[in-house]
Amino acid sequence: DAKTTQPPSMDCAEGRAANLPCNHSTISGNEYVYWYRQIHSQGPQYIIHGLKNNETNEMASLIITEDRKSSTLILPHATLRDTAVYYCIGNSGGSNYKLTFGKGTLLTVNP
Amino acid sequence: GAGVSQSPRYKVTKRGQDVTLRCDPISSHATLYWYQQALGQGPEFLTYFNYEAQPDKSGLPSDRFSAERPEGSISTLTIQRTEQRDSAMYRCASSVTGGHQETQYFGPGTRLLVL
Repeated sequence: DAKTTQPPSMDCAEGRAANLPCNHSTISGNEYVYWYRQIHSQGPQYIIHGLKNNETNEMASLIITEDRKSSTLILPHATLRDTAVYYCIGNSGGSNYKLTFGKGTLLTVNP
Repeated sequence: GAGVSQSPRYKVTKRGQDVTLRCDPISSHATLYWYQQALGQGPEFLTYFNYEAQPDKSGLPSDRFSAERPEGSISTLTIQRTEQRDSAMYRCASSVTGGHQETQYFGPGTRLLVL
């Protein structure tokens, strides 16, 4: 599975869009990009995933560059409850069972 | 059940003692995973089950760690002769199957402290 690189921390104002970047330059053609988040000491929570097309669900949008070497998770209107560690994970379908989390990005949403 | 549950939520033990942690996955979920999470780090994969089969236990740190899922539902993780370095949060997750694009649903975790 691809190694991913994320900034250790980011800040965002409440009500604004939060854009979380992820570099995955070694991603292979069959590897999906997954995003999970972990609020305080809770268990990780799935957010979204994609292969090469942009994806949107009720929680977030995922923008993947055309060369697939990087992606951005977008929370369109961040709230205080979105403060969490966000993990970008590269994962091939064959080893989906083995999520490799890394250290993630601590997003702090400020009032 | 409504979600993944784990017990106990906290466990304090003395070095050298054995501990057993329990995970109750979402009912009907075939696949169950165990992760270990050190403070300030992301979870690290330990092992997983498809029903009662355990296809991959490559993430278990040593032979002191073992896991079971004898009837394909509830699972236990046992750590024998605990050491201080075993102190961590142990998280269980489940998914409908272990297949492509499956979402893993995580439980609240068991925080283990080895004195």
